[in-house]
Amino acid sequence: DVKVTQSSRYLVKRTGEKVFLECVQDMDHENMFWYRQDPGLGLRLIYFSYDVKMKEKGDIPEGYSVSREKKERFSLILESASTNQTSMYLCASSLGLALLQYFGPGTRLTVL
Amino acid sequence: EDQVTQSPEALRLQEGESSSLNCSYTVSGLRGLFWYRQDPGKGPEFLFTLYSAGEEKEKERLKATLTKKESFLHITAPKPEDSATYLCAVQAGTSGSRLTFGEGTQLTVNP
Repeated sequence: DVKVTQSSRYLVKRTGEKVFLECVQDMDHENMFWYRQDPGLGLRLIYFSYDVKMKEKGDIPEGYSVSREKKERFSLILESASTNQTSMYLCASSLGLALLQYFGPGTRLTVL
Repeated sequence: EDQVTQSPEALRLQEGESSSLNCSYTVSGLRGLFWYRQDPGKGPEFLFTLYSAGEEKEKERLKATLTKKESFLHITAPKPEDSATYLCAVQAGTSGSRLTFGEGTQLTVNP
């Protein structure tokens, strides 16, 4: 079974803090994705990566950056957290040209 | 721009009362349409992939169908454990590996 894990289920941070969200997959998938999910807005793509050290902006990259130094690990970074970044963050991965994305359990981030 | 619209936003059924969820899409060259189930506080769990109009897939009480403009998720004789949010997503030929998601339908099945 494909397993995608995220470093924290719940996280509370203060405005202005630097926040790291980590995602690890164990199936040697090339593609990894970060989404945020908000009521009424659905899942929106923040960043994705096709390979190590490769990254592409999604639909809402502002205020976020990413890092992929190893194939199995994809990190989302909030350089200076703001209250409007309070959300559920979901990581996903997929294999090469395969369409199916497997999701992690999510991180519920609250920025106070 | 790829668009996915799901309806209704919320659906409340009695146990055993069959119904359907709708996913309408507008994409340039559909490569695949996906249905996911999401329980509160958890990540989406894959249910079905459909690739071409006329295709159908079934799993227990769920059946997904696809036309050129929409997909339906039919739920036959639902049980309370089917309560969840059902998400539809599409992948277009112009979008690489990206998925475009609808906002979901929140299904509640009462005993």
